[in-house]
Amino acid sequence: GAVVSQHPSWVICKSGTSVKIECRSLDFQATTMFWYRQFPKQSLMLMATSNEGSKATYEQGVEKDKFLINHASLTLSTLTVTSAHPEDSSFYICSAREDREVQPQHFGDGTRLSIL
Amino acid sequence: QKEVEQNSGPLSVPEGAIASLNCTYSDRVSQSFFWYRQYSGKSPELIMSIYSNGDKEDGRFTAQLNKASQYVSLLIRDSQPSDSATYLCAVRNQGGKLIFGQGTELSVKP
Repeated sequence: GAVVSQHPSWVICKSGTSVKIECRSLDFQATTMFWYRQFPKQSLMLMATSNEGSKATYEQGVEKDKFLINHASLTLSTLTVTSAHPEDSSFYICSAREDREVQPQHFGDGTRLSIL
Repeated sequence: QKEVEQNSGPLSVPEGAIASLNCTYSDRVSQSFFWYRQYSGKSPELIMSIYSNGDKEDGRFTAQLNKASQYVSLLIRDSQPSDSATYLCAVRNQGGKLIFGQGTELSVKP
């Protein structure tokens, strides 16, 4: 089945640090990938849609300068949390689907980000 | 009204019983529906997808879709303690985005 790999799985860093998270589709091509954030006891909230070769589409309320997304190839999207602060601490999860829209989305294992 | 609504639970069932999870959605033109299972501290795992009215069975899981009532459900037969998790209903909207419900926490008691 479709496999999405996300790295790193866990990050602890100081306030003000920038953190890059990678998301790879291992056995399929994904023109579109998605980045979600999940706070404890809450559901997944879509942050942005990452489009290969073009700018990401951000959801309302998500700062594009804070959360930089790059989708440089059909198998890799990155999310950089710039100048992270404690309120950015969360569980970040990427997702991708094969390039037929009816296909389900598969999720990476997530990245738990803790900002001290 | 939320786009996708689920009872947050917790839903508690004894081992071996049928667990019934329900979900309603607001976008009448939605065509793709999914159930994901999420264990605590882990990312969601796809259990079932359903696209047309009726039932779809896969092992102990049955998804049911009624587009007229804007309702999708998941039945888990012979529930096991390992089924204890949060079950997320997800609906793909017109823009292609996957919208999640808040999840139903299921607890299967031995």
